[in-house]
Amino acid sequence: EIVLTQSPGTLSLSPGERATLSCRASQSVTSSYLAWYQQKPGQAPRLLIYGASSRATGIPDRFSGSGSGTDFTLTIRRLEPEDFAVYYCQQYGSSPRTFGQGTKVEIK
Amino acid sequence: EVQLVESGGGLVKPGGSLSLSCAASGFTFSDYSMNWVRQAPGKGLEWVSSISISSIYIDYADSVKGRFTISRDNAKNSLYLQMNSLRAEDTAVYYCATGGIGYSFDYWGQGTLVAVSS
Repeated sequence: EIVLTQSPGTLSLSPGERATLSCRASQSVTSSYLAWYQQKPGQAPRLLIYGASSRATGIPDRFSGSGSGTDFTLTIRRLEPEDFAVYYCQQYGSSPRTFGQGTKVEIK
Repeated sequence: EVQLVESGGGLVKPGGSLSLSCAASGFTFSDYSMNWVRQAPGKGLEWVSSISISSIYIDYADSVKGRFTISRDNAKNSLYLQMNSLRAEDTAVYYCATGGIGYSFDYWGQGTLVAVSS
């Protein structure tokens, strides 16, 4: 099983600032099958990034993903008020399809 | 518009059973592998089970193996999860989502709450 470790657990930032979220895998993620999801309270997760760096349909270009192998990053270039949420990474290249524990981006 | 609507959640006693359904619309259901993902109150996401397009490939998390059964009916555009021998730790919101090995979970339902308590 691939274990995904996200850091930091909580990120306290102001609107307009840049957010950098990390996801580290316990072993190499097959073919960069790494996704990022956003979840707001009371809502289902929403796909942001797939294939480590491809934006899902309708996702603003302030969201970007990078990385390969065992180290991946989600960057939010300039935080908008609606971006404050919890973010999860997930590997979907092997079973079980594991999720990281999440990073909460909160308003400072 | 893609829609996934879960139903069947509720309160059940430990050791009891519950059956969840997920009704799909707005896309060709038979073209997508499907999953159940759960989220315990205040916790993160946990993949539970997946089923391939023609139900040939089925997989479960170790935490539910032998107790839960996933199935689908492509003619009815529906996904199911039969949950037996329920435990308190199965308490969670259960989401259905599209996606298989090599595919991200593009679409999600809004979830249905399962509470296991005496």
